Amino acid sequence: VLTQSPGTLSLSPGERATLSCRASQSVRGDYLAWYQQRPGQAPSLLIYDASSRAAGIPDRFSGSGSGTDFTLTISRLEPEDFAVYYCQQYGWAPRSFGPGTKVEIK
Amino acid sequence: QVQLVQSGAEVRKPGASVKVSCKASGYTFTNYDVTWVRQAPGQGLEWMGWMNPNSGNTGFARRFQGRVTMTSDTSINTAYMELSSLTSEDTAVYYCARGIRNKLFSDSWGQGTLVTVSS
Repeated sequence: VLTQSPGTLSLSPGERATLSCRASQSVRGDYLAWYQQRPGQAPSLLIYDASSRAAGIPDRFSGSGSGTDFTLTISRLEPEDFAVYYCQQYGWAPRSFGPGTKVEIK
Repeated sequence: QVQLVQSGAEVRKPGASVKVSCKASGYTFTNYDVTWVRQAPGQGLEWMGWMNPNSGNTGFARRFQGRVTMTSDTSINTAYMELSSLTSEDTAVYYCARGIRNKLFSDSWGQGTLVTVSS
């Protein structure tokens, strides 16, 4: 089971966002991904293997962590970054998602 | 560029089945898996399962086993997901996505297909 915190993060553009994803058991290989989902759109991949940025993702997005505790950091929020973020583990079957963190404009 | 184009919205009655298609382009279809994820209205993402278009191998989340079928037609680069014995709780947007083999995180997604189950 994956849990994400906080459920909602209220920040202003330009601020730093720190999102947490915690697993109930160690994630094999640190096989954890982060996705962004804007309203009315499909999810899009940001980070895979805990810390590798997907193609075309700006470097203000970074992932870190290992074992059971992982973090997505957005160094300076841009207007387009206000969205819902999901973590996904693919270290064990079945793959699963966390419940999501909504980053909203304060 | 990689594209996954899904079939249009569907409405079904409880107890019926639905089959959603996902046409891939811009990459070698058999080199990647296809994953299926759904999202109920206002809810989070739910991983349903995966299939390997090359071998036909599949794997499903436990709650869908026995009720979901995932297939593909490699001649037209299209994957299919069929869900049977529908209830109102199956009302959701269903997404297909390209899955990285042996890992199954998804780097490209379809636009989603809304399936509404209502009497």
